[in-house]
Amino acid sequence: IAGITQAPTSQILAAGRRMTLRCTQDMRHNAMYWYRQDLGLGLRLIHYSNTAGTTGKGEVPDGYSVSRANTDDFPLTLASAVPSQTSVYFCASSAGQGAYTEAFFGQGTRLTVV
Amino acid sequence: SQQGEEDPQALSIQEGENATMNCSYKTSINNLQWYRQNSGRGLVHLILIRSNEREKHSGRLRVTLDTSKKSSSLLITASRAADTASYFCATVDSGGSNYKLTFGKGTLLTVNP
Repeated sequence: IAGITQAPTSQILAAGRRMTLRCTQDMRHNAMYWYRQDLGLGLRLIHYSNTAGTTGKGEVPDGYSVSRANTDDFPLTLASAVPSQTSVYFCASSAGQGAYTEAFFGQGTRLTVV
Repeated sequence: SQQGEEDPQALSIQEGENATMNCSYKTSINNLQWYRQNSGRGLVHLILIRSNEREKHSGRLRVTLDTSKKSSSLLITASRAADTASYFCATVDSGGSNYKLTFGKGTLLTVNP
């Protein structure tokens, strides 16, 4: 049982480079989310998608873009990375059948922008 | 801005003692959830309490919700060293069709053997 898978697990990236973080789930969940976790700031929502074909902005969307071409995949793209985007990124999904559903998290991608 | 704020930021107790963590939030909610995160890992869902519920139990976990005070508490009874982790509350706002989960900053719990 895979659940939700993120890739890569870690990456060192030069500033100005483009990077796509991958997220795939096999639970047929409608909703998917991207969070970043920084020390002292907890988890902050970057973008979300309630269903395939739709996306929305979270609390800290600037510098990031997402797409949801199908149910299973929700890639997060940094068009031109900056050092402030150094963080641990978590992808999550939930069934989205009403609001009373729990979220399942991937193991995270540790990104360092130098 | 973040919805939930956990208190305390860090808590250190002895094995066998009870641990209580609190969460305050700002807006009307549909439900409140608690998650656990072991160091270097993803978050794991613990328990969900709906806005019309006041208390919920799951094993050694007890969650209360006071919507008039916009606060929740998580009690872990008879703590074990394996309970050492960060604990986060998360809220889903009421109204609309966006089921965004908004997290607080977390409480780091250390259970000493």
